[in-house]
Amino acid sequence: ELKVEQNPLFLSMQEGKNYTIYCNYSTTSDRLYWYRQDPGKSLESLFVLLSNGAVKQEGRLMASLDTKARLSTLHITAAVHDLSATYFCAVDIHKLVFGAGTILRVKS
Amino acid sequence: NAGVTQTPKFRVLKTGQSMTLLCAQDMNHEYMYWYRQDPGMGLRLIHYSVGEGTTAKGEVPDGYNVSRLKKQNFLLGLESAAPSQTSVYFCASNKREASSLEQYFGPGTRLTVT
Repeated sequence: ELKVEQNPLFLSMQEGKNYTIYCNYSTTSDRLYWYRQDPGKSLESLFVLLSNGAVKQEGRLMASLDTKARLSTLHITAAVHDLSATYFCAVDIHKLVFGAGTILRVKS
Repeated sequence: NAGVTQTPKFRVLKTGQSMTLLCAQDMNHEYMYWYRQDPGMGLRLIHYSVGEGTTAKGEVPDGYNVSRLKKQNFLLGLESAAPSQTSVYFCASNKREASSLEQYFGPGTRLTVT
């Protein structure tokens, strides 16, 4: 059974700082997705990573995928308050299996 | 283009009552899904459908039934609600593409079973 583990589960950081969220998974897959969820809202697609070594960047967020290590990272650069949300990774094994989510709080 | 919509947005049920949640999408997507979201557990797949008239069980199907009579609609039924089914339910859909399962999510239905 596929396990998808995100860490940390909760992250409190100061504005302007950098940090990385990790997503480890237990079986072979070369496709992974990152989603953002604001409190009380639905999930919004952030990144679609479809091959080993894939790297995508949007604003202050950058996602990468290492299929050999079964690891994806979501790097936050110079955090701002607007990035406060819950971030989920989801691994594609012909259906999506989600991690538990990382709650990010950026303090002013 | 409304995307994925869900009805209702909120509902309170008593134990043993039944209800149906409706998901509709106007993107002509083949695949549709029902998830539940509980604190600290991410999203778990309940049932899914790869096309009109077909459904399949996901990770947590017990206590739920689904139907996909029309391509644009996917219904989730609770025959006899239990407090353990208190959750937020999300519907999602995507096109049938070999390269990507990027899913589009509805706004969610918050269900409380007392």
